[in-house]
This record gives sequence, structure tokens and C-alpha cells, in this order.
Amino acid sequence: EVQLVESGGGLVQPGGSLRLSCAASGFTFQTYWMNWVRQPPGKGLEWVANISPDQIEGRSVDSVKGRFAISRDNAKNLLYLQMNNLRAEDTAVYYCLAWGHVTYWGRGTLVTVSS
Amino acid sequence: DVVLTQSPLSLPVTPGQPASISCRSSQSLIASDGNTYLFWFQQRPGQSPRRLIYTISNRDSGVPDRFSGSGSGTAFTLQISRVEAEDVGVYYCMQHTHWPHTFGQGTKLEIK
Repeated sequence: EVQLVESGGGLVQPGGSLRLSCAASGFTFQTYWMNWVRQPPGKGLEWVANISPDQIEGRSVDSVKGRFAISRDNAKNLLYLQMNNLRAEDTAVYYCLAWGHVTYWGRGTLVTVSS
Repeated sequence: DVVLTQSPLSLPVTPGQPASISCRSSQSLIASDGNTYLFWFQQRPGQSPRRLIYTISNRDSGVPDRFSGSGSGTAFTLQISRVEAEDVGVYYCMQHTHWPHTFGQGTKLEIK
């Protein structure tokens, strides 16, 4: 059974940091582009970052560039999102997404940035 | 960034009737390899999104054949031939021809 399980979300003050993790199982993780997509409460979807299977390519949207970093550990089937200098507008459910001929989504982890 | 504009944003439909959602792109989605990376996603209430359609018109595994996609260049359409109660949710178009990948605003389908 394919599973993507996100963890690491929670309440953090503006300017703080969080590290999200996504544990993958049931598919060949190391062959998939991996992605983070977020959804602010009651709003639409926004692509945040992606990383190639071999970790050579990694990109993030301008709104998080310089603050968020995506990485992966293919030996452990783990995807990460290091989030620094968090802002109120980063409040969202963060989804892990495996992209290939088929796609797999996690259930998401909620990040709330508030004082 | 590529802007995807969906219409309508709200779509009340009687069960058994057809439904259609438009997605227009601010620029061509034809990639240098000749493919058009336009996708459709469904997000049911309280659930994660799931992909329905890839590269304009190809249904993902397990997607009922009442869902179909069409279009080219900058104009695309998702059609549901006969809406069922389980189709309630928000539908998004998405492109990954250009970085950053972008989604449309979403169309909320509800049952009348």
C-alpha cells in the first residue's frame, strides 16, 4: 500500500522555523519527483517546491525562496522541507506529493504561523 | 508566472446532468517537447487532492470515464458527462509546462 505521511507541522511564531518531513512507502521513492504543495485554510492550492529524483534539481516559488529549502534522503525514503523566517502568510496545510506517471498525495500537515 | 483562470467558480448541478469547467492560461502551455502539461485535480471535502486527468485528456487509473478533458494551447475544459453525488468537491486545473507550476483558483461543484 502506498503511503505518504507528513509530520512536523504545528504552531510557530513569526520569524520561527519548522522542518517538515514526509515518509514514503509502497512505491519506488527514488524514481519520483517529489513536491510540497500548500493550501491556506479555506483557499486554493499553491506549489511550493520540488526536487528531482537524483537531488540535482530543486526549485521553490519566489514567495519562499531564501527561506524554505527542499531536500530528500533516498536511502530512507524521506522528503523534507526546512522552513525558516516563517510569516503569517505561510499558514497552510502542507502536502507531500509524489509526481510521476501516477501521483501520490499525503494527508497533509498544518502549519500555523501566529503570535 | 502563468495564470490559470477557471470558470465558473461555483457550479451547482443536478445529478445526472452534465457539467463543464473552463480553464484558460495566460500563455501557451505547449512545452518544448511538444507536450502540453495541463492537468485536472479533484479535491473532495476534507480530503487531499487527487489527479483526474493528465496532459489535457488522459484519465488517471481508476477515474470514471464520465470525466473527460479537452483543449489545446491556452484553453482547456473538464467535462463530466453525468454528475453523481460523489463528484462534489473543488476542481483545479494545473500546469507544469512553466516554472513555477501553478493552479487555477478552483471550481466548487455542488449538487442541486
